[in-house]
This record gives sequence, structure tokens and C-alpha cells, in this order.
Amino acid sequence: QSVLTQPPSVSAAPGQKVTISCSGDNSNIGNHYVSWYQQFPGTAPKVLIYSNNQRPSGIPHRFSGSKSGTSATLDITGLQTGDEATYYCGTWDSSQRALFGGGTTLTVL
Amino acid sequence: EVQLVQSGAEVKKPGESLKISCKGSGYTFTDNWIGWVRLMPGKGLEWMGIIHPDDSDTRYSPSFQGRVTISADKSISTTYLHWSSLQVSDSATYFCARHLYDGSGYWDYWGQGTQVTVPP
Repeated sequence: QSVLTQPPSVSAAPGQKVTISCSGDNSNIGNHYVSWYQQFPGTAPKVLIYSNNQRPSGIPHRFSGSKSGTSATLDITGLQTGDEATYYCGTWDSSQRALFGGGTTLTVL
Repeated sequence: EVQLVQSGAEVKKPGESLKISCKGSGYTFTDNWIGWVRLMPGKGLEWMGIIHPDDSDTRYSPSFQGRVTISADKSISTTYLHWSSLQVSDSATYFCARHLYDGSGYWDYWGQGTQVTVPP
């Protein structure tokens, strides 16, 4: 069981918005930056968000991140069927160990 | 173009040893830490450990300390993940990923993954 808690699944209709949460504590999210990754089955994860809310070049503005206290969220607007994937949050802990959330599977209905 | 290219899929027997590799290109290999991440069927990503290829400084997750060995050969821009005695429970896909530290620290490039199968 991961130290970072994500909902196992979320769903929404095409064109709608979905929010994926990631909850931790002061030893991890509360004192470290959060990143988000998208993974399709059989492929490598890809970074969507780093430094809580920064998008790498090439990532659409439909993806946005935020952090407040010991929790972080990933928002995806204008949902597309191609967004169906598993999403992971990531951060570090006070012992300089990397952490990942348990992953959230997004279904676009 | 930054690339991390991993070795191919493996099928091994319990008790056998295995070393899989991750070769970096398109950047100065000794500038960045490289991490290893496990993905088991039906489970989430698990961070195993990290190595700095320049001096082979290595850190492990407590969950994997003593179970695997991470090493590097900077002369050929390659890092390795080694098991001395595989178990059925080691069946998973393993990814290497480059750590980028810009004040935050995240995984910006990933290898394609190496599937390891250890049948009972």
C-alpha cells in the first residue's frame, strides 16, 4: 500500500473535467514538490506535471496541477478518449526516497 | 534526443541470477541520477532505488534493500539492476528513469521497460 493515497479510479464523459487527488503528509508532499505521470498499458510512464504545477513542453494546457498542504491534485479538462490511462503522483520523503501514489485509472465514458 | 534504452524481456527460473541494463544517450550520462521502478501486474509504480553514474553513489528503497543491486558503468553510459537469486514474486516490468533536479526533482525520461518473468 502506497504512502501517497490516490483514488483507484475516476470517470467522466468526453469534454468534461476530472480531478485526481493525491494525499500524503508532512514528511512527503507537505515539504516536497509533486509531479504527475501518465501511463498507458504496456508503455513507459510520461511526465505531465512537475514542480507541483509546471508542464513540460508538449503537454497540453488541458492538464494542470496544484498542491495545498499535504495534498495535490491533477485536473484534466476537455476530456478525450485518448486520455484513458493510469495516472500517478510522485514526490520525495524526508529520507530522500522517491514515492509514487497507487495510481488512478481514468475512464472516459 | 535523450533516450534510455533497456535490455530485452527475460524468462528465468527461480533461484537464477539476472542483470538487466539501461543505456543512456543524447545527454551527459554522468550529470543525472538514474532510478529504477517496478510495475507489477495490477499494481502501481514502486521506486526501487537510484544511482549516480559518476561515482556510483546508490540509495535503495527499504522494500528492495538487500534484494537487488543497482550498479553503473559510466564508460558505456549504462546502469544495471541485478538479482542474485530470482523469486516468482520478482515477475514484473522494470523501468529505468532519469532524474532531473531543477529545484524539485522528477523523472523526465523513461526507458521502455524490461519485462521479467519467473514462472513457478
